[in-house]
Amino acid sequence: SQKIEQNSEALNIQEGKTATLTCNYTNYSPAYLQWYRQDPGRGPVFLLLIRENEKEKRKERLKVTFDTTLKQSLFHITASQPADSATYLCAPSDSSASKIIFGSGTRLSIRP
Amino acid sequence: KAGVTQTPRYLIKTRGQQVTLSCSPISGHRSVSWYQQTPGQGLQFLFEYFSETQRNKGNFPGRFSGRQFSNSRSEMNVSTLELGDSALYLCASSPSPGQKNTGELFFGEGSRLTVL
Repeated sequence: SQKIEQNSEALNIQEGKTATLTCNYTNYSPAYLQWYRQDPGRGPVFLLLIRENEKEKRKERLKVTFDTTLKQSLFHITASQPADSATYLCAPSDSSASKIIFGSGTRLSIRP
Repeated sequence: KAGVTQTPRYLIKTRGQQVTLSCSPISGHRSVSWYQQTPGQGLQFLFEYFSETQRNKGNFPGRFSGRQFSNSRSEMNVSTLELGDSALYLCASSPSPGQKNTGELFFGEGSRLTVL
């Protein structure tokens, strides 16, 4: 069955450092991979999407890579700030995008 | 443009009762997905509707059902509530399928259900 694993349940890093979150998937051949941010008690918010034929995507301090051979996506936040503290979810999807399954998320804490 | 609206935001029910949750998608969005979120299980896919048709369903018992209306608004219903149904129920909408639709989901704030 399809499985999505995000590297760790929680990640604590110092302000200013780069946070790197991992998303591994099995039994999947996604056309896209999306990343979302979720704050406590709120709905997830879309951050970035990368297509299977793209190696890397950037948006301001965010960078996503997608390795279809390793079946892995990496999500980087550079120059991290306490405001970046949240849970980050990855979601591979096929081209129909009619059933988007989420990983369990990584809770990121940035300490001043 | 108004976002996804879910009602009610909070509700308390007792075991055995049923509940109906409502979701109004972003104007122009025709796909609506529902998710259940609990601390232990994360975000679990319930079902997805497009043009009043259920296109996909997750691994939930038949007590969980949904529907979509012609104006794309959606409702989900849970019958014979159990304690384990306590969760945040999230609705998300996305634009119509097509080449330019990559499935980006726009979530509402959720309906928090507590079953006593």
